[in-house]
Amino acid sequence: QVQLKESGPGLVQPSQTLSLTCTVSGLSLTSNSVSWIRQPPGKGLEWMGVIWSNGGTDYNSAIKSRLSISRDTSKSQVFLKMNSLQTEDTAMYFCARGSGYREDYWGQGVMVTVSS
Amino acid sequence: DVVLTQTPVSLLISLGGQASISCRSSQSLVHSNGNTYLHWYLQKPGQSPQLLIYQVSNRFSGIPDRFSGSGSGTDFTLKISRVEPEDLGVYHCFQRTHNPFTFGSGTKLEIK
Repeated sequence: QVQLKESGPGLVQPSQTLSLTCTVSGLSLTSNSVSWIRQPPGKGLEWMGVIWSNGGTDYNSAIKSRLSISRDTSKSQVFLKMNSLQTEDTAMYFCARGSGYREDYWGQGVMVTVSS
Repeated sequence: DVVLTQTPVSLLISLGGQASISCRSSQSLVHSNGNTYLHWYLQKPGQSPQLLIYQVSNRFSGIPDRFSGSGSGTDFTLKISRVEPEDLGVYHCFQRTHNPFTFGSGTKLEIK
């Protein structure tokens, strides 16, 4: 079955770079897209960006200058890198499969706290 | 960017009752291919969002027919009939028509 699992450091210092990994199973990264979505504590969802099945990417314009999404298809992994982290980047970070113009399966999420 | 306005912010519904949630878009969500990519998710407490309805009115796999979606253009509605305890959580609308994709601010459903 389709599964996605996020992993990464729980704590990042301000101004540092966040690196997260989404490891997928039951799906092909060359046939599906993967989006990253985040949710600050007690707040709504924010779509961050997507890596398409052809390897192209699109980003939310609000964070585009700080964000990079890439993948390693041989390892079934998608990566998120975001630099210049601030306290407002504290959030639960989710990856989700995109299939047929919808994000249908989501990972459990990983909590990231930005603090010194 | 497309702004999705969800109302109400919260709902208190009795077991067995009906809930209705509105999602209004700042611009038409009809894609250039003619389809409308407006979806609904439920986020249960402590969980990741789960897809309920895709493309306005299609129930995702395993979603009971108590959940229904309707609407067109800029106005969309999610209805939940015969509310059950497991329906509590935050409902989010999401548009996947225009980049960047955006979510509504969420509607919290509580059970009386």
